[in-house]
Amino acid sequence: EAGVVQSPRYKIIEKKQPVAFWCNPISGHNTLYWYRQNLGQGPELLIRYENEEAVDDSQLPKDRFSAERLKGVDSTLKIQPAELGDSAVYLCASSFGQGKQETQYFGPGTRLLVL
Amino acid sequence: GDSVTQMEGPVTLSEEAFLTINCTYTATGYPSLFWYVQYPGEGLQLLLKATKADDKGSNKGFEATYRKETTSFHLEKGSVQVSDSAVYFCAFLLTGGGNKLTFGTGTQLKVEL
Repeated sequence: EAGVVQSPRYKIIEKKQPVAFWCNPISGHNTLYWYRQNLGQGPELLIRYENEEAVDDSQLPKDRFSAERLKGVDSTLKIQPAELGDSAVYLCASSFGQGKQETQYFGPGTRLLVL
Repeated sequence: GDSVTQMEGPVTLSEEAFLTINCTYTATGYPSLFWYVQYPGEGLQLLLKATKADDKGSNKGFEATYRKETTSFHLEKGSVQVSDSAVYFCAFLLTGGGNKLTFGTGTQLKVEL
């Protein structure tokens, strides 16, 4: 079974430029998560989708960040414009459902460097 | 607020040594507990989990027991290998918390020959 797929793996951009990350979850997983991991820290949730609905986006900086999951499968996270402080690893995860019994499976992440 | 506290790293051990990485949590509710491992340049992989008090999660020689009375979930391994070198994250999940995994800051383990 294929795992969570993310692309690109690495991205270097200049500040004020836009950037987008793509995620394809494990087949059949209807819950999708975007996390941000700063250097030396644990991941922090940005947004959670149940199918195509964003059910928790309270931690997403909405002035510059946006996300979509139009058909309830793959998802895109966008930053526009990027700032120096956005340099981090952006992780996508998926799970079959919700609830504390459900395991979240993580992709390899996209490492973003903003210059 | 809800949080996870892990022992700071790096932890440096010789091969075949005994490993303990301490983890305690503060949560309003009854969480599930997880250990994730991150190898260099890779994403997080689930190592083990426990969903109720006194449950023991185990995988690849690693073990952790859910201790509700001490709100702890310490990771142990009897004999580490060089290939165990990675960053280990303790985390919990509360259903009422929006299915959000709350992570500790991670503990880097270095195993030397």
